[in-house]
Amino acid sequence: QKEVEQDPGPLSVPEGAIVSLNCTYSNSAFQYFMWYRQYSRKGPELLMYTYSSGNKEDGRFTAQVDKSSKYISLFIRDSQPSDSATYLCAMSTGNQFYFGTGTSLTVIP
Amino acid sequence: SAVISQKPSRDICQRGTSLTIQCQVDSQVTMMFWYRQQPGQSLTLIATANQGSEATYESGFVIDKFPISRPNLTFSTLTVSNMSPEDSSIYLCSVDPLDRITDTQYFGPGTRLTVL
Repeated sequence: QKEVEQDPGPLSVPEGAIVSLNCTYSNSAFQYFMWYRQYSRKGPELLMYTYSSGNKEDGRFTAQVDKSSKYISLFIRDSQPSDSATYLCAMSTGNQFYFGTGTSLTVIP
Repeated sequence: SAVISQKPSRDICQRGTSLTIQCQVDSQVTMMFWYRQQPGQSLTLIATANQGSEATYESGFVIDKFPISRPNLTFSTLTVSNMSPEDSSIYLCSVDPLDRITDTQYFGPGTRLTVL
């Protein structure tokens, strides 16, 4: 079983839709949870960072961590064509980093 | 955050040759990380480069194939040696600007390598 599971998509939504991206994990030792956005031919860009459980909001983006279910989510409200990218979840035990495979998102104008 | 640059941004190389990738950071960091990103796969950590000591390689990666230099706190190089088409990938360096190892990481733009 992989440490981190992420549906690769692709996911295609109309502009203005609410997007939900998810990852599941198996290691209960994960404490730090991140979402990265990666545009084509660019490096991953840190989007959201959460420590332990709970929600964090930043503009149109909300990150949720449910440690009891070993499940994390990223919500994008009022999605824009500029949100079209690959989104990678990442998590850390404090000693090692683990990445999901990424979900490809296209927002159609 | 940290601003990271990589050179070259992309290259096409012949089988059996070597390519050295440079990574420059705008602040001093103890640890720099080198990753490989292949299509449809997770980012895979190749090695951790500490200034003043030998790099630490992950399982499946060896120094002879991926020698790393770390001459100072803002710079590192990764060499992909004796390349084969299987080495075609995106190579990324990253840092944690607060040197907390695994709190957060910031990535460079990547080097897209194609081996013919």
